[in-house]
Amino acid sequence: ILNVEQSPQSLHVQEGDSTNFTCSFPSSNFYALHWYRWETAKSPEALFVMTLNGDEKKKGRISATLNTKEGYSYLYIKGSQPEDSATYLCASLDSGGGADGLTFGKGTHLIIQP
Amino acid sequence: DTAVSQTPKYLVTQMGNDKSIKCEQNLGHDTMYWYKQDSKKFLKIMFSYNNKELIINETVPNRFSPKSPDKAHLNLHINSLELGDSAVYFCASSQDRFGAPQFFGPGTRLTVL
Repeated sequence: ILNVEQSPQSLHVQEGDSTNFTCSFPSSNFYALHWYRWETAKSPEALFVMTLNGDEKKKGRISATLNTKEGYSYLYIKGSQPEDSATYLCASLDSGGGADGLTFGKGTHLIIQP
Repeated sequence: DTAVSQTPKYLVTQMGNDKSIKCEQNLGHDTMYWYKQDSKKFLKIMFSYNNKELIINETVPNRFSPKSPDKAHLNLHINSLELGDSAVYFCASSQDRFGAPQFFGPGTRLTVL
């Protein structure tokens, strides 16, 4: 059973500022790390899937890094905009079988203040 | 076109009833999932289904049974509903079971009275 932790739980950021938050996961039996963006009243939407140690992915102003040896990933948002307000979920997939679904963290709730 | 759809969106029912939630994906994906969002907003995997192979999470009560008539559909049937089953249930699909990004449905809010 994986234990995926995210911090901080919530974050208030001024519009235009950059921010980042953390996801930690067990490094043993690691297979993949996902980031999702979840807006209120909508469904989670995939941002990134990363598998290799040192992976860096970027989509517009959002980027993510992965360290599989120490078991953490960072999500960065550059120049925050009000539309970035959402809950950001990370989820880990291990190679150990089981239900083969993702194990999600509890998310970081990001609020961008104009 | 909705990629992953669920019906109904809201379901209110009495304790002890049996109900089903339907899920359909038009993405041609091989793998489908059911997640439960608990009272703390935490998403937990219940089942995954890959090309007719069902993988059951052992923590799910056997009152919950997924049914997949074909690759595009994964329905969730719940027997003898209990108060604690009240939650939002999300269906999702992915191209494969090896870490491909998952596409989520809109969720079904189940309320058991």
